[in-house]
Amino acid sequence: GQQLNQSPQSMFIQEGEDVSMNCTSSSIFNTWLWYKQEPGEGPVLLIALYKAGELTSNGRLTAQFGITRKDSFLNISASIPSDVGIYFCAGPPNTGNQFYFGTGTSLTVIP
Amino acid sequence: KAGVTQTPRYLIKTRGQQVTLSCSPISGHRSVSWYQQTPGQGLQFLFEYFSETQRNKGNFPGRFSGRQFSNSRSEMNVSTLELGDSALYLCASSTGTSGRPYNEQFFGPGTRLTVL
Repeated sequence: GQQLNQSPQSMFIQEGEDVSMNCTSSSIFNTWLWYKQEPGEGPVLLIALYKAGELTSNGRLTAQFGITRKDSFLNISASIPSDVGIYFCAGPPNTGNQFYFGTGTSLTVIP
Repeated sequence: KAGVTQTPRYLIKTRGQQVTLSCSPISGHRSVSWYQQTPGQGLQFLFEYFSETQRNKGNFPGRFSGRQFSNSRSEMNVSTLELGDSALYLCASSTGTSGRPYNEQFFGPGTRLTVL
């Protein structure tokens, strides 16, 4: 099946630092979504991207739809303790409607 | 607008039993998707229902089934439970129609199933 690889797998950063993570696929995607999941909860949608090259922000979060349509990037600026969680990329490849999720990036922010 | 709700939040069952999980989507959403989340396999798509019909299906055995009612509420059933079925089961709702909102899925808090 489809594999979405996220890197890094985990990050330990100091409060105030910027964070960058990415997601790559073997297939072209029509949409890239970024979610955050906290322990015991379902994923929460952060940002949705719909066309190659698109750059979208949501507060301190900025995500980009890669021009090859096989990757996406998420940046968090000036991290704070409540940014802690697992970040997932997700989306449907251009063939079919099934959703695939990435392997996740676990973020720990040290105060 | 109320979010996606799932019941129950926690379940403990024994091998061989069956279980039914329930999901109520956001009002106006017609698509409900189900996912299994485990530490080893991550988030895996089970199936999607739209207007009471299964529209997409992932690679899970037939023990996993679902249905959707006319009010868009959905249930998922797992029969003959195995230890490996222990997981967080998440449902997500979306408008389900073509266009941008179709792809924006909103998740419920999940049902934590433990099989002993």
